Amino acid sequence: DARVTQTPRHKVTEMGQEVTMRCQPILGHNTVFWYRQTMMQGLELLAYFRNRAPLDDSGMPKDRFSAEMPDATLATLKIQPSEPRDSAVYFCASGFSGGRGRNIQYFGAGTRLSVL
Amino acid sequence: GDSVTQMEGPVTLSEEACLTINCTYTATGYPSLFWYVQYPGEGLQLLLKATKADDKGSNKGFEATYRKETTSFHLEKGSVQVSDSAVYFCALSEPSNTGKLIFGQGTTLQVKP
Repeated sequence: DARVTQTPRHKVTEMGQEVTMRCQPILGHNTVFWYRQTMMQGLELLAYFRNRAPLDDSGMPKDRFSAEMPDATLATLKIQPSEPRDSAVYFCASGFSGGRGRNIQYFGAGTRLSVL
Repeated sequence: GDSVTQMEGPVTLSEEACLTINCTYTATGYPSLFWYVQYPGEGLQLLLKATKADDKGSNKGFEATYRKETTSFHLEKGSVQVSDSAVYFCALSEPSNTGKLIFGQGTTLQVKP
């Protein structure tokens, strides 16, 4: 049963600390997405990759957030330094782009981040 | 730009009631349309999809029909269960086929026994 795996599931940290969230996309998928979900803003797209290349990270605060795909099996989202307003659930999703009927995204269970 | 608008929630229903969650969209070209569901503490899961006008997507008793003339993709279920309590998201795919989805704001459904 292929699934997107995110680690850690929960993270509590103090303001100013670095946070790294990891995602293992489904094998064979060529797109990876990072989302942030909060009660106030709902679901926001932060960044996405196609064939490991960043296509759009305009939703991400550039001064503190960075997203990378060091290889096809790992995507990372880093926050440095973290702030209390970064507290949210962060989701990774993967999929296969191109062609009608595709573009389905498969979501991980999320990383719940609390910055104190 | 392309966008998705869903009816405001929360929606509260009694078990076995009929459900309709409205979704309308604005898009250039001919996007694919999706409904995702998010159960408490979990990520989003694909519920159903439709790829062209007049297609009907269905799954787990839920249905939605791609209506090009009204730019709508309303989610319906004839008899809801307590286990259907979740947040439902309508989404469309960008016509450029990047794989990117544009999501609505989500509608919370609570079903009471």
